[in-house]
Amino acid sequence: NAGVTQTPKFQVLKTGQSMTLQCAQDMNHNSMYWYRQDPGMGLRLIYYSASEGTTDKGEVPNGYNVSRLNKREFSLRLESAAPSQTSVYFCASRGQETQYFGPGTRLLVL
Amino acid sequence: AQSVAQPEDQVNVAEGNPLTVKCTYSVSGNPYLFWYVQYPNRGLQFLLKYITGDNLVKGSYGFEAEFNKSQTSFHLKKPSALVSDSALYFCAVRSGGSYIPTFGRGTSLIVHP
Repeated sequence: NAGVTQTPKFQVLKTGQSMTLQCAQDMNHNSMYWYRQDPGMGLRLIYYSASEGTTDKGEVPNGYNVSRLNKREFSLRLESAAPSQTSVYFCASRGQETQYFGPGTRLLVL
Repeated sequence: AQSVAQPEDQVNVAEGNPLTVKCTYSVSGNPYLFWYVQYPNRGLQFLLKYITGDNLVKGSYGFEAEFNKSQTSFHLKKPSALVSDSALYFCAVRSGGSYIPTFGRGTSLIVHP
């Protein structure tokens, strides 16, 4: 039981490049989330998926898109990366009123 | 709307002393309250939650939290701090009808040997 996994662990992009952050959970949870963490800002919700086939915007969705590929997988795409998107990205799933977080992806946009 | 305040960016405590990390919240209806811990370069880990029932909630690693409805607080406590408790602690709240918790900005706990 791996819980929530994320790939890659670390990525460096140039401004304007695109990339997809992958997330998968093996706990059969319906709800999944993408957050970004910046110093002094806590966690900010980018997008969430209440169940397979649905996605909704969170607090800071601009510049991002998501895909709930199936019940296990929820990916986050940056179409044209900007330096302001330099951050640590966390995926989470929810079960039994508790969120379970992945180890994070550190993204640096130059 | 729901919100969480963690009034202290950093809490310093000596090993063996009791610790408190403060959290106050605002939410419509009954609150669902959570504490998470984040160690360096790791994801958040669940510590404890209050949904209903006893106001004193016990969680992982000897931590506990007290729900105080009149003061809208959910402070995290431990009777005797360990150096290994040093980490970033997040309080979160959501209403019963929401999928989305709101997180505080986090409090850095530093336990000195």
